[in-house]
Amino acid sequence: DAGVIQSPRHEVTEMGQEVTLRCKPISGHNSLFWYRQTMMRGLELLIYFNNNVPIDDSGMPEDRFSAKMPNASFSTLKIQPSEPRDSAVYFCASSLQGSAYEQYFGPGTRLTVT
Amino acid sequence: DAKTTQPNSMESNEEEPVHLPCNHSTISGTDYIHWYRQLPSQGPEYVIHGLTSNVNNRMASLAIAEDRKSSTLILHRATLRDAAVYYCIPSNNAGNMLTFGGGTRLMVKP
Repeated sequence: DAGVIQSPRHEVTEMGQEVTLRCKPISGHNSLFWYRQTMMRGLELLIYFNNNVPIDDSGMPEDRFSAKMPNASFSTLKIQPSEPRDSAVYFCASSLQGSAYEQYFGPGTRLTVT
Repeated sequence: DAKTTQPNSMESNEEEPVHLPCNHSTISGTDYIHWYRQLPSQGPEYVIHGLTSNVNNRMASLAIAEDRKSSTLILHRATLRDAAVYYCIPSNNAGNMLTFGGGTRLMVKP
């Protein structure tokens, strides 16, 4: 298995531009998570999906952030418009549903907004 | 979510055992205790989890206190590749949401 796949690995954009991050979870996993990591705030859960349905988006910072999961093998996290304070590493993770199952993380997307 | 307390950093010598402590005194009765680690420039990686009994796998052992208010991750022989931030995470009863705290930065000296 290729593991969780994220693209792009690095993204540099200017303030005000739209950014779309992509994630392909591990086949067969039915939970998907988006996290953000910064030096100041550490690793934060933004949103998670079960069976393609958003369950908890309380971690999404504001309306500029949106996430979708149109099918079991693909999810996107969009920031529109982007701001410098959105600069961070964004991780996607997937797992089988249930608290006893481990999450598998992707390599992350390093976003820099100038 | 249960709050956790971990030392900010620890040092170990290569080939020696390492005991990483975690206090989670507010853990609920049905929360699992998960441990993840994050190597430099990588995403977090699952290490081990348990509920009440001590657990062993190829990476580590997890010792859980009888009252479940604390646990200890044990690396039996630390290697340089074990240098990472280790997170202790009681799971959320609502599902399998993980709330990462600050973790313990483990440094391994050759």
